[in-house]
Amino acid sequence: DAKTTQPPSMDCAEGRAANLPCNHSTISGNEYVYWYRQIHSQGPQYIIHGLKNNETNEMASLIITEDRKSSTLILPHATLRDTAVYYCIAPRSNYKLTFGKGTLLTVNP
Amino acid sequence: DTEVTQTPKHLVMGMTNKKSLKCEQHMGHRAMYWYKQKAKKPPELMFVYSYEKLSINESVPSRFSPECPNSSLLNLHLHALQPEDSALYLCASSPRAVRDTQYFGPGTRLTVL
Repeated sequence: DAKTTQPPSMDCAEGRAANLPCNHSTISGNEYVYWYRQIHSQGPQYIIHGLKNNETNEMASLIITEDRKSSTLILPHATLRDTAVYYCIAPRSNYKLTFGKGTLLTVNP
Repeated sequence: DTEVTQTPKHLVMGMTNKKSLKCEQHMGHRAMYWYKQKAKKPPELMFVYSYEKLSINESVPSRFSPECPNSSLLNLHLHALQPEDSALYLCASSPRAVRDTQYFGPGTRLTVL
């Protein structure tokens, strides 16, 4: 997988937007960026993915820079239930997700 | 429906026991995966099944034996495990094993005594 770099932890106030950055400077032209999250002791949950254009779904928005070397996951109105480890992954292989250490997002009341 | 189910939720076994973990999906996905997650570490891929055939084994010890009886079911047979095999075992599925989105189950928490 393309190497991804994420901050180890971030805090966010409940109700505010959470902006989680990811650097993937070695990403190649046909590699997607995926975001998953894992709430404590649960299985990872798919959030969103994108290639070049910004993407939005019911959970989040994904902003990818024009040079594709970084992206930001945006949770528009964070709740306490969004506290989780967020993983940014740029899989190179057809089948393998390589999870890094991710970002522990803590949403505070 | 993007649900992957896993049973049991928790399993405690001795080193001489034989047990099995079960995973099921009814999304019509043709690729299924086993991951292992040690405490405070990210998940790591163990096996990939594509169209009910084992396509990838990430150098997993033979005491872990996967089986895919049909397109909806995935088993992981456990035998002669070691205490260091204690972990959360996660199952996932995707439409195909070609960079499709993977959907994960809740996991089985395994403790080996």
